[in-house]
Amino acid sequence: DTEVTQTPKHLVMGMTNKKSLKCEQHMGHRAMYWYKQKAKKPPELMFVYSYEKLSINESVPSRFSPECPNSSLLNLHLHALQPEDSALYLCASSHGTGYLQETQYFGPGTRLLVL
Amino acid sequence: TQLLEQSPQFLSIQEGENLTVYCNSSSVFSSLQWYRQEPGEGPVLLVTVVTGGEVKKLKRLTFQFGDARKDSSLHITAAQPGDTGLYLCASLTSGTYKYIFGTGTRLKVLA
Repeated sequence: DTEVTQTPKHLVMGMTNKKSLKCEQHMGHRAMYWYKQKAKKPPELMFVYSYEKLSINESVPSRFSPECPNSSLLNLHLHALQPEDSALYLCASSHGTGYLQETQYFGPGTRLLVL
Repeated sequence: TQLLEQSPQFLSIQEGENLTVYCNSSSVFSSLQWYRQEPGEGPVLLVTVVTGGEVKKLKRLTFQFGDARKDSSLHITAAQPGDTGLYLCASLTSGTYKYIFGTGTRLKVLA
């Protein structure tokens, strides 16, 4: 099973709202990722968690707050977003064991619209 | 900075035609992945190539990793409308968990 699940599938929020995106995997992977993808562009890395610790933050604004409660779950908390933050948010996971073949498996994404 | 350049950027072909998509870099990669992504969906892994000169086949798709592990190609035989999508190559930046993605190839197969 190589499934990564994400909820919700779609999200519409105002600029003053607080919402969370959720990601789950049961492949025993120890690295999990958040990406942002604008239309017709490749995904852009936001955060990487390795063994439940934040290892990479690609200078993401503080209105995005990641959380990794355990090895299977990854959350992205959203607060005071801007319309330009509207995008497809993708979660991914990989073994995280440092093998050379560190393949990432992606979830279906959450399409976010900020009004 | 490691970069992955894909060509062509866009490709519109008729059903039944063959095509090749290229992914090139000036850096050596330990492995390289190919994904296909449909609008509004997450990228779906097609293949991982690891060994220089390696060739992998997935039905009508043939993937090749260059001998020097700096480039890769994806060849589709007898394309079908279901092959339509964004094709992305990707690889891990050496020593990190940071993936870099290619610039993408948007394929449209017309019935």
